[in-house]
Amino acid sequence: DGGITQSPKYLFRKEGQNVTLSCEQNLNHDAMYWYRQDPGQGLRLIYYSQIVNDFQKGDIAEGYSVSREKKESFPLTVTSAQKNPTAFYLCASSIRGPGTEAFFGQGTRLTVV
Amino acid sequence: EDKVVQSPLSLVVHEGDTVTLNCSYEVTNFRSLLWYKQEKKAPTFLFMLTSSGIEKKSGRLSSILDKKELFSILNITATQTGDSAIYLCAVEYSGGSNYKLTFGKGTLLTVNP
Repeated sequence: DGGITQSPKYLFRKEGQNVTLSCEQNLNHDAMYWYRQDPGQGLRLIYYSQIVNDFQKGDIAEGYSVSREKKESFPLTVTSAQKNPTAFYLCASSIRGPGTEAFFGQGTRLTVV
Repeated sequence: EDKVVQSPLSLVVHEGDTVTLNCSYEVTNFRSLLWYKQEKKAPTFLFMLTSSGIEKKSGRLSSILDKKELFSILNITATQTGDSAIYLCAVEYSGGSNYKLTFGKGTLLTVNP
């Protein structure tokens, strides 16, 4: 089945550690996005990528890094520089072009302990 | 500064009521406005609006866009408890060769029996 897969669903991290969240899609979509969702904050854009080997910072990129070496994959690394990393992280993808809907993965809930 | 503003942030109604959710935006190079429903984890797509004044309808849900006044509404008639969710509005806009999908904070709708 086509779709977006995020893993893991739940992740615990100690303070000071980097952690990488996985996002894979088999929809042949060009564009991929990472969002962070906190209670009462909606979805805030962290990074997005229109094509392979290219990505742009979103509104809250500090403390995060991404790579886009393959069309299907857009992993997000939460670094120790991110001051408040505990949140729900959503990955999405869409066909490149105007006015196309984004499809979402099931999310990863990251908790820093 | 928020580019996409949703109101109200939360709403409690009884089954059978009709609700109207609002989304206003302020972006340059607007491309489309999208509505999503988020019940547990992954937001699911409801509507995509690109043209003013054309109502999109799906069962008890409908939505319309006003590009002159820069807002959209999502109507739900004869609400049911299964309509309880966070409703997210997103605006796609371009800046140069890139385009972004930015979300509002969402409206939490609770439908009581």
